[in-house]
Amino acid sequence: DTGVSQDPRHKITKRGQNVTFRCDPISEHNRLYWYRQTLGQGPEFLTYFQNEAQLEKSRLLSDRFSAERPKGSFSTLEIQRTEQGDSAMYLCASSLSWGPLHFGNGTRLTVT
Amino acid sequence: EDKVVQSPLSLVVHEGDTVTLNCSYEVTNFRSLLWYKQEKKAPTFLFMLTSSGIEKKSGRLSSILDKKELFSILNITATQTGDSAVYLCAVEGGYGGATNKLIFGTGTLLAVQP
Repeated sequence: DTGVSQDPRHKITKRGQNVTFRCDPISEHNRLYWYRQTLGQGPEFLTYFQNEAQLEKSRLLSDRFSAERPKGSFSTLEIQRTEQGDSAMYLCASSLSWGPLHFGNGTRLTVT
Repeated sequence: EDKVVQSPLSLVVHEGDTVTLNCSYEVTNFRSLLWYKQEKKAPTFLFMLTSSGIEKKSGRLSSILDKKELFSILNITATQTGDSAVYLCAVEGGYGGATNKLIFGTGTLLAVQP
């Protein structure tokens, strides 16, 4: 399967713990995006990379969130000191410079 | 503020019915509008529309964009139970070049009953 891959599929953590998610984009795609989706809502933009450069971050992305894309391939999203409000589906997507986003199956985070 | 509004929020139909889903938008420097289908997991891409009045078609699904009135519709004919999903509309716009950053609506939940 050459689609967008995300790991883990599910993560349950206690409030205050740190979590890290990984995304492997479609190999020839130079752009990579992170979105967050809560129940009954559409995905909300968090941040995006073009190759290894992080070009934009949403106001939603507090200083507890950090994303990296070393070498312009896979990306990680880390959430420090998790809060219950961080519970959501975290979706990764990739694209070429011009073209639709292709989404992975997401990582569902539950903060207890 | 840029926004995307979808209607109806939810819809229940019977197999074989035709449905029309609506998406209106307000976005600075519009570039494209996209439709996605989301079942339990990843949104899957359906259509990307950039020009007014040109219908895009894939099997029983079709979509058209009206850039003057700022809306798009997604039609599904002869619905099947496998069409049950959330249908998401998203727009790309803003300044600073083409970023592909999308603003999504809340989606329309379609349930097709046998």
